[in-house]
Amino acid sequence: EPEVTQTPSHQVTQMGQEVILRCVPISNHLYFYWYRQILGQKVEFLVSFYNNEISEKSEIFDDQFSVERPDGSNFTLKIRSTKLEDSAMYFCASSVPGTAYGYTFGSGTRLTVV
Amino acid sequence: GIQVEQSPPDLILQEGANSTLRCNFSDSVNNLQWFHQNPWGQLINLFYIPSGTKQNGRLSATTVATERYSLLYISSSQTTDSGVYFCAVEDMEYGNKLVFGAGTILRVKS
Repeated sequence: EPEVTQTPSHQVTQMGQEVILRCVPISNHLYFYWYRQILGQKVEFLVSFYNNEISEKSEIFDDQFSVERPDGSNFTLKIRSTKLEDSAMYFCASSVPGTAYGYTFGSGTRLTVV
Repeated sequence: GIQVEQSPPDLILQEGANSTLRCNFSDSVNNLQWFHQNPWGQLINLFYIPSGTKQNGRLSATTVATERYSLLYISSSQTTDSGVYFCAVEDMEYGNKLVFGAGTILRVKS
């Protein structure tokens, strides 16, 4: 079964540092997403990406965040200057609208900002 | 935006017991999925079920779209069923993102 692959699985970073979280979506999927889950809380939508541009973003996705699809396979989330409150599990997902498979999520990257 | 409410928030079962988890949503949906978050934090897709009934082993799910709710049934529970169960929906009007409920924390005791 096709998978969404995320790297790294864990990352510890100093406050104020930039981090890049990487994802390889399923190859024939058209929409790509980032979600965030702060420990013990619900999974929150950050951003969706379609046709090489952001299609929607939440209020959480401020100027500190950016997304990019640098080549035909990777999809990245960059946090420019990390804060303690950015510590969370970050999930990448991809989908093809109108199919019977829904959204497929990666295994997540656990980001800890110290 | 669409609201998703899950109940109960917490559930403790003895191994072998059956359970029903509920998801209510406030508007029409294109998509509804049930996920199991395991102890390692991974979101495991259980069902894609915007309407109707599906079964997969000891798990089954039913969505009644016209009444805006979905049910997840777990039969003969096992300790490995423990974790958090999330319902997530895609709003029919403002689609192309999943909105998650707060989850049900399930603990199965041996």
